[in-house]
Amino acid sequence: KQEVTQIPAALSVPEGENLVLNCSFTDSAIYNLQWFRQDPGKGLTSLLLIQSSQREQTSGRLNASLDKSSGRSTLYIAASQPGDSATYLCAVAPRNTGANSKLTFGKGITLSVRP
Amino acid sequence: DVKVTQSSRYLVKRTGEKVFLECVQDMDHENMFWYRQDPGLGLRLIYFSYDVKMKEKGDIPEGYSVSREKKERFSLILESASTNQTSMYLCASSSGTAEATNEKLFFGSGTQLSVL
Repeated sequence: KQEVTQIPAALSVPEGENLVLNCSFTDSAIYNLQWFRQDPGKGLTSLLLIQSSQREQTSGRLNASLDKSSGRSTLYIAASQPGDSATYLCAVAPRNTGANSKLTFGKGITLSVRP
Repeated sequence: DVKVTQSSRYLVKRTGEKVFLECVQDMDHENMFWYRQDPGLGLRLIYFSYDVKMKEKGDIPEGYSVSREKKERFSLILESASTNQTSMYLCASSSGTAEATNEKLFFGSGTQLSVL
């Protein structure tokens, strides 16, 4: 059974820092991996999706990498801002079904960026 | 942009009541999902649907049912609400068939349900 782990559960950094959020998964047979952002009391917003054949994806100050062989993904946030404060979740889709129906989510990392 | 709308932001219900949570998406997506999110447990899939009138059980379907009569609408039904169903309920949608995978998942804003 796929397990997705995000450590630490919470992170506090000063504004301006470049930071890396980690996601690890136990089964490397994945179809894709998504990173989501969740603001308190709100739904999730998809930030980046990396297909299994890709190594990374970029959107603005965000860069996500994928290393299937080691079962790891990282979300890099450049020049962090207070507005980046949120919970960041990763989720993997398994290769056998490939459908979003079987996404396995991590529990998320709650990021606080101090002004 | 895709919009996924959940009918209620907050709901308070009594034990034993029948509860309907409604979700509508406006981008003609085939796939729709219901999750619940609880502190320490993360997101868990309750039910999903990949076509009108089609439904599949997720990881925790007990105590829930769903209805998808129209492509844009996916309803979650709590037949007899219990206190352990107090949770944040999140609806999501994505395009493509059940086999199509590389499509982002779009979420609604969530419904915080309290069962007293």
